[in-house]
Amino acid sequence: AQSVTQPDIHITVSEGASLELRCNYSYGATPYLFWYVQSPGQGLQLLLKYFSGDTLVQGIKGFEAEFKRSQSSFNLRKPSVHWSDAAEYFCAVGAGTGGGADGLTFGKGTHLIIQP
Amino acid sequence: EPEVTQTPSHQVTQMGQEVILRCVPISNHLYFYWYRQILGQKVEFLVSFYNNEISEKSEIFDDQFSVERPDGSNFTLKIRSTKLEDSAMYFCASSEAGDTQYFGPGTRLTVL
Repeated sequence: AQSVTQPDIHITVSEGASLELRCNYSYGATPYLFWYVQSPGQGLQLLLKYFSGDTLVQGIKGFEAEFKRSQSSFNLRKPSVHWSDAAEYFCAVGAGTGGGADGLTFGKGTHLIIQP
Repeated sequence: EPEVTQTPSHQVTQMGQEVILRCVPISNHLYFYWYRQILGQKVEFLVSFYNNEISEKSEIFDDQFSVERPDGSNFTLKIRSTKLEDSAMYFCASSEAGDTQYFGPGTRLTVL
């Protein structure tokens, strides 16, 4: 069974500092990987995704993530955070090719706090 | 930009009552999903729907739950007899080709 681990429940970062949110996955084949962001009281917004190809993917709002197969990781990064980035961040894994109807498996999320 | 919509945004019901949560997926999407998020916990997959039938369902999706696409635009989740533990945020998602899923804003269900 697939699983996602986000080891950091809370992370506090100063505004303007760099950010890295960790995500490790367990999946038997090459997965589809996603990062979603959830602001308070809001739905899940897709930040970026990885299916194949270049292991460094760019997303919205200046975020990027790097797929490292050897480490089963898909960490999210941003060079300089803004106060508006404060939110809950979820890493998710989905089945690869042929698993279109499969649901995503989410991590427990990382709560990002931005200090002024 | 097209988006998934859900109604109502908040539903309060009494234990044992039936509720129907509604979703309008993105118009050209073919795959539809329901997830739930109990307060403070992770998002959990409930069910997927494709070609007018359930494709996959989790162990959470028991006989109390059902899904339906009653017309060309709506996708509904019905809970027949709500329990206290059904209180959660319910998210609908849709996908054009079964790869990237786009989520709606959610319906917060409160069972009293």
